Amino acid sequence: AQSVDQPDAHVTLYEGASLELRCSYSYSAAPYLFWYVQYPGQSLQFLLKYITGDAVVKGTKGFEAEFRKSNSSFNLKKSPAHWSDSAKYFCALEGSSNTDKVVFGTGTRLQVSP
Amino acid sequence: DMKVTQMPRYLIKRMGENVLLECGQDMSHETMYWYRQDPGLGLQLIYISYDVDSNSEGDIPKGYRVSRKKREHFSLILDSAKTNQTSVYFCASSLSPTGNTLYFGEGSRLIVV
Repeated sequence: AQSVDQPDAHVTLYEGASLELRCSYSYSAAPYLFWYVQYPGQSLQFLLKYITGDAVVKGTKGFEAEFRKSNSSFNLKKSPAHWSDSAKYFCALEGSSNTDKVVFGTGTRLQVSP
Repeated sequence: DMKVTQMPRYLIKRMGENVLLECGQDMSHETMYWYRQDPGLGLQLIYISYDVDSNSEGDIPKGYRVSRKKREHFSLILDSAKTNQTSVYFCASSLSPTGNTLYFGEGSRLIVV
């Protein structure tokens, strides 16, 4: 079975600070990992993904994430944070088998104050 | 234009009524999905469709069924809606089922009273 854990339901910080949103996963083989963002009242938008290769992947809007196999994590980072980054962020995992499905974490709501 | 379109966006139904949520995509994607989003639960997969008439249950299929007769169109049907099916439903599509980005629709907010 595959699962994703986002331990922080809410994160609050000031504009200009560095942000790091945590994501850990459980999967027995090599995972495909994704981050999506949902702005208030909107749908989910793709930010970045890790399939293979370099552990640090860069995405849209200045975000990057680091895949760490050693502790099964895929944390999202950005520096500096901007008030427009305020949104809900979802980490997702897809198994590498054709029959594996995409599983989402419960999300982290980020509030960046000006 | 790469777009996933959901209809209707808002819907209020009485318990026991049938509900049809429709989803279309213009990217010729093979794979389409229906998720529901509830507070504190993230997104839960209801059904996945790998192509026309090739559908598979997700994690919470009970009370739902789907139909995919054309590649660009994927419907979610609730036969006899229940109050606990009040939720926001998202349709998504991807090029293929493995390792590809999901493109989401704007969501359909269903209230069952």
